[in-house]
Amino acid sequence: SQTIHQWPATLVQPVGSPLSLECTVEGTSNPNLYWYRQAAGRGLQLLFYSVGIGQISSEVPQNLSASRPQDRQFILSSKKLLLSDSGFYLCAWSATGDGYTFGSGTRLTVV
Amino acid sequence: AQSVSQHNHHVILSEAASLELGCNYSYGGTVNLFWYVQYPGQHLQLLLKYFSGDPLVKGIKGFEAEFIKSKFSFNLRKPSVQWSDTAEYFCAVNARGSSNTGKLIFGQGTTLQVKP
Repeated sequence: SQTIHQWPATLVQPVGSPLSLECTVEGTSNPNLYWYRQAAGRGLQLLFYSVGIGQISSEVPQNLSASRPQDRQFILSSKKLLLSDSGFYLCAWSATGDGYTFGSGTRLTVV
Repeated sequence: AQSVSQHNHHVILSEAASLELGCNYSYGGTVNLFWYVQYPGQHLQLLLKYFSGDPLVKGIKGFEAEFIKSKFSFNLRKPSVQWSDTAEYFCAVNARGSSNTGKLIFGQGTTLQVKP
């Protein structure tokens, strides 16, 4: 069966520190992968998506970047966190665009 | 570009009241439509989805939604809500087509609070 792992679940980081959130998928090949951010009162905003290894599309300009070093691995990074990067980050995958599986999310607080 | 608008940000109902949450999307082509729910402390879960066929879609837990193409709407309904329906509800859209990357675009979400 297909599963999606996302970690860590909670993270508190100081302003200016780096960030690395990892998402891995099991049980499928060549999935489309997505990073979303859920900020209070703003719903789920698509940050990045990837249709294959090394292929990253950014939806909004920001302080974050994404990478896909392996088929089923999707990493969200920042070199220097800002207070505004706080939020709930969700990874998701889809095979065909008619069904999505979401990870359990990471609650990031930048202090 | 696609966009999704949910009209109600916060809804408070008493148990047994009827529910309707509005959702409108903006996109000129063919779309797939989804409603997701997020219960407190839990993952996003799919309530229902529409791809084609009967525009009235039935989902889990007694929810249904109606796709009205002329209005670009996909409103969520439930005849009688329960306290356990307290959650955040998200409408979402993706575009169908040969270049479909499967990008799922969400509305802002509606927080539903059901009072016992």
